[in-house]
Parts: sequence; structure tokens; C-alpha cells
Amino acid sequence: GAVVSQHPSRVICKSGTSVKIECRSLDFQATTMFWYRQFPKQSLMLMATSNEGSKATYEQGVEKDKFLINHASLTLSTLTVTSAHPEDSSFYICSARPQAYHTEAFFGQGTRLTVV
Amino acid sequence: AQSVTQLGSHVSVSEGALVLLRCNYSSSVPPYLFWYVQYPNQGLQLLLKYTSAATLVKGINGFEAEFKKSETSFHLTKPSAHMRDAAEYFCAVSKGSQGNLIFGKGTKLSVKP
Repeated sequence: GAVVSQHPSRVICKSGTSVKIECRSLDFQATTMFWYRQFPKQSLMLMATSNEGSKATYEQGVEKDKFLINHASLTLSTLTVTSAHPEDSSFYICSARPQAYHTEAFFGQGTRLTVV
Repeated sequence: AQSVTQLGSHVSVSEGALVLLRCNYSSSVPPYLFWYVQYPNQGLQLLLKYTSAATLVKGINGFEAEFKKSETSFHLTKPSAHMRDAAEYFCAVSKGSQGNLIFGKGTKLSVKP
């Protein structure tokens, strides 16, 4: 199947700093990528839908100024957690669907963010 | 609106026993249904999917699921559990091929030797 690469897999940062997470589709083009957040022992919650060349669509309750999403090309979307706080510590996962008609979403390996 | 309910947050079976993970869905349109597996600190891997073709869907690692419209269910089964099957399993629904995935809360499968 198609491969989605997410980087970094693990990051520790200090409170108040910003962290950027990259999501790349390695062997297909994706006009749409999705960003999820997963709390311990819980399900994945959709944060936002990233659209290439346009503004991301955020889910209700997600602060767009805190979680900046950029989808500058058909193979790369980035999520920047700005002014991170300990409560932002979580597991962040991206996924992407190939541009053509396709029913399956492919997931990155996730990023474990710890804010200290 | 669409939703998914996974009955049982934790299922424990013995190695070699039948695995049954339950998933019920709610959808106002014919759904696309998925089962994903997640190993610790990793992303999700697709096990199988239902996209309005055959109601019995076979996936990887010996798993299969049956779409039952009358019961709004899409339960995941495997005849004989292996230790390597221990993981978190998520059922998900989407509205058509391009819709967002809505996930259930997940079921953690433990396999006892």
C-alpha cells in the first residue's frame, strides 16, 4: 500500500516553544490530509482537514491559531503546535488519501509530543 | 451524522481461541466501514474495509468482518488468535470514499498464552 511518513516520531519540548510535525505522502499525491490527536487509551479525534493550496478546515473546539496547518504541496502537510503547553502533550497522527478515487486512508506512524 | 460504537474497551482471549471484536455503526447514507489495528506508539494499519461490495470482507493477518445492514454491525473476527494479534483495534466509518473517518473508541485485544 501507499506510504505516509511522519516526522519526528517523538519530540520533547519546553513550554512556550513551538513544534513542527511533518506528514509526507511518499509514493502518491494527496490533495487532502487529515490530522488527528489521540489521548492515552482513547480514540483518534479529528483535529483538522488539510487541503493543498487552501486553508485547513478545523473541527469544532480546535484552536486554529494554536495548531497551524500548512499544506503547501501535494505530498507535504505540516502541523505546528505554537506556544506549546503541557496539556498539548499527546500523540498526533496524520493520514492521507490518494488524489484519485480511493476508499482507503493511509496513516503516518504518529508523533509523540511531550511538553515539559 | 455518522458514529461508531465499539462494545468492550478490552477483550482478552487465549491463544488459539476465536477473536470477536464488536462494532456497530450509525449512518444516514450507505457507509464505508473500516477496521484498523494500532500497535503501541505507532500509526494505524488497515486490516480490512467494506465499500458496498461483498458483505463478508477478508483482510490481512487472517481477520475478516461481515457487514450486516439489518443489525448495523461490522464485527471483526479471527478464528484463532496469535500472540502477535495483541494490539488496539479501531472500527471507523466514513461517508463515501472521500469523507472523513469517524473512529470508535477502540478495543484493546490481549492474547494469553
